[in-house]
Amino acid sequence: QKEVEQNSGPLSVPEGAIASLNCTYSDRGSQSFFWYRQYSGKSPELIMFIYSNGDKEDGRFTAQLNKASQYVSLLIRDSQPSDSATYLCAVKSDMRFGAGTRLTVKP
Amino acid sequence: GAVVSQHPSWVICKSGTSVKIECRSLDFQATTMFWYRQFPKQSLMLMATSNEGSKATYEQGVEKDKFLINHASLTLSTLTVTSAHPEDSSFYICSARPGTSGHNEQFFGPGTRLTVL
Repeated sequence: QKEVEQNSGPLSVPEGAIASLNCTYSDRGSQSFFWYRQYSGKSPELIMFIYSNGDKEDGRFTAQLNKASQYVSLLIRDSQPSDSATYLCAVKSDMRFGAGTRLTVKP
Repeated sequence: GAVVSQHPSWVICKSGTSVKIECRSLDFQATTMFWYRQFPKQSLMLMATSNEGSKATYEQGVEKDKFLINHASLTLSTLTVTSAHPEDSSFYICSARPGTSGHNEQFFGPGTRLTVL
């Protein structure tokens, strides 16, 4: 089993909709979880990190963590075309990434 | 804050030559820096982890004699691709973790696109 798995997509949502991105991980001892956004040809940029079970909100972004089920998700509310990118999930301090989910927000 | 720079942003070299890529944390001290490689339409692949003042830890399958990493200070790490070949052409990205970070977040440099002819 891969350490970090993401629904590979691609995911397409209309503008204004909620985009839901999911990530599962294998190491039950993982403590910190990160979501990064990567535009084509650019390096990743940190969106959010979460380390406690439950939800963490930052503007239009909400990260959700469920350690019992070993998944972390990212919700993007009121999706905008500028949100179109690949979203990468990372867990553990050694920062291995999932394959990423390509999101397209259609105007 | 938390800005990481890379230099050069792109480089084209001939097969057999060596290329050095610099990664600098501009406004924080980075006890740990990571080097990644990304091929087109693929995810980031961790190549190595370097801690200031010690030898880098390479991921399985990454040749340490080919990809030389030096982390000589808390703000600078370098990756040297020795005897580069066309298959080494890729997007190389570094990241740095602040020494004071409690949650292990890391910040990425803008990447270096290497093309080996």
